[in-house]
Amino acid sequence: NFMLTQPHSVSESPGKTVTISCTRSSGSIASNYVQWYQQRPGSSPTTVIYEDNQRPSGVPDRFSGSIDSSSNSASLTISGLKTEDEADYYCQSYDTNNPWVFGGGTKLTVL
Amino acid sequence: EMQLLESGGGLGQPGGSLRLSCAAAGFTFSRYGMSWVRQAPGKGLEWVSSISPSGAGRFYGDSVQGRFTISRDNSKNTLSLQMVSLRAEDTAVYYCAVLVGPAQYFDSWGHGTLVTVSS
Repeated sequence: NFMLTQPHSVSESPGKTVTISCTRSSGSIASNYVQWYQQRPGSSPTTVIYEDNQRPSGVPDRFSGSIDSSSNSASLTISGLKTEDEADYYCQSYDTNNPWVFGGGTKLTVL
Repeated sequence: EMQLLESGGGLGQPGGSLRLSCAAAGFTFSRYGMSWVRQAPGKGLEWVSSISPSGAGRFYGDSVQGRFTISRDNSKNTLSLQMVSLRAEDTAVYYCAVLVGPAQYFDSWGHGTLVTVSS
């Protein structure tokens, strides 16, 4: 089974840019799509990125996703940070033997 | 707009059983795979189980395999999760979610229902 490892927490100031990483322990990160979910306190998760770099309608273009095969990791980048972006963020991917795997989550604090 | 409403959570005894339901509305339920995802208090998301649009394909996470059974009734737009042999570590908020796209990722989520396993 593979794992997805995320930093426990990140923090940045309003208006700045932050990047959250998600490293796959085995197998190629590029072989299976990566999704990112946002979960604000007390709320259900919502999708902010799907299929590595696609944004659902309604998600601002301040959110972007990318894949880096050299580090076997995916990244979620949020630019022009707003206080409303403060939330937990989870990456998720899969393979044939592990249908749905989540990262441990990253708490984003917008100071 | 996809709408999902979970119910059936509550207090369960260790070794006991509970049945969760998820009522779907706003989309053609029978065309989508569905899933249950749980979140223990203060912890991250954990995939529990998924079912194909027809119900023929059922998948389970290692921690619930053999104890939980997922099912669906496409005539009633309802998803269910029968949980038996409950353990303290099953304590969590249980979300139902719709699976979409080639990646079969979790699109719309319900508000969740809390299951507490304790004597």
